[in-house]
Amino acid sequence: DTEVTQTPKHLVMGMTNKKSLKCEQHMGHRAMYWYKQKAKKPPELMFVYSYEKLSINESVPSRFSPECPNSSLLNLHLHALQPEDSALYLCASSRIVDEQFFGPGTRLTVL
Amino acid sequence: GESVGLHLPTLSVQEGDNSIINCAYSNSASDYFIWYKQESGKGPQFIIDIRSNMDKRQGQRVTVLLNKTVKHLSLQIAATQPGDSAVYFCAEINQGAQKLVFGQGTRLTINP
Repeated sequence: DTEVTQTPKHLVMGMTNKKSLKCEQHMGHRAMYWYKQKAKKPPELMFVYSYEKLSINESVPSRFSPECPNSSLLNLHLHALQPEDSALYLCASSRIVDEQFFGPGTRLTVL
Repeated sequence: GESVGLHLPTLSVQEGDNSIINCAYSNSASDYFIWYKQESGKGPQFIIDIRSNMDKRQGQRVTVLLNKTVKHLSLQIAATQPGDSAVYFCAEINQGAQKLVFGQGTRLTINP
């Protein structure tokens, strides 16, 4: 299995909702990442997990809460988001210092 | 500071022609570079990589060139096909920092 999967593909939520994005990989990678990508822009790093521990938080607002339950799974919990948080959220994984494999993303719309 | 940028935001080439996409980077500490292809509605897809101890690497129809003197990276695609139409991002890593930094991207359009 050489792919990163993400669910859901699309998500529409209100500003008072709580939702979660999920990411899974079975390549044995020990680093996992969340990126945010706005239209016509490059992906921007949000969080990095190494060996299931948060190693990088790029000053992301607390309404985004990452979680790494085990080495194959990565979640992003969303609460009280703003319309400007609408974007494509990408998950990636890698061996610790190597190319990153990206999932297809979750297209998030905040109303 | 760290920045990776591209010279041209859009590029159009005729099917069958060769294309060259350029990228400039400013962090001399970067030691690993990757080109990604992103099609509409999909995540970035790895194309080819190169480490800083190399100046050229070839794949299938793609070649990456690295010029560390002028901090320049390029992606050459030979005999372009309609399926090559996408946005291409260069990205750099300082492997000690574990952070992948993307350039702004070039939209490549292949004309029939």
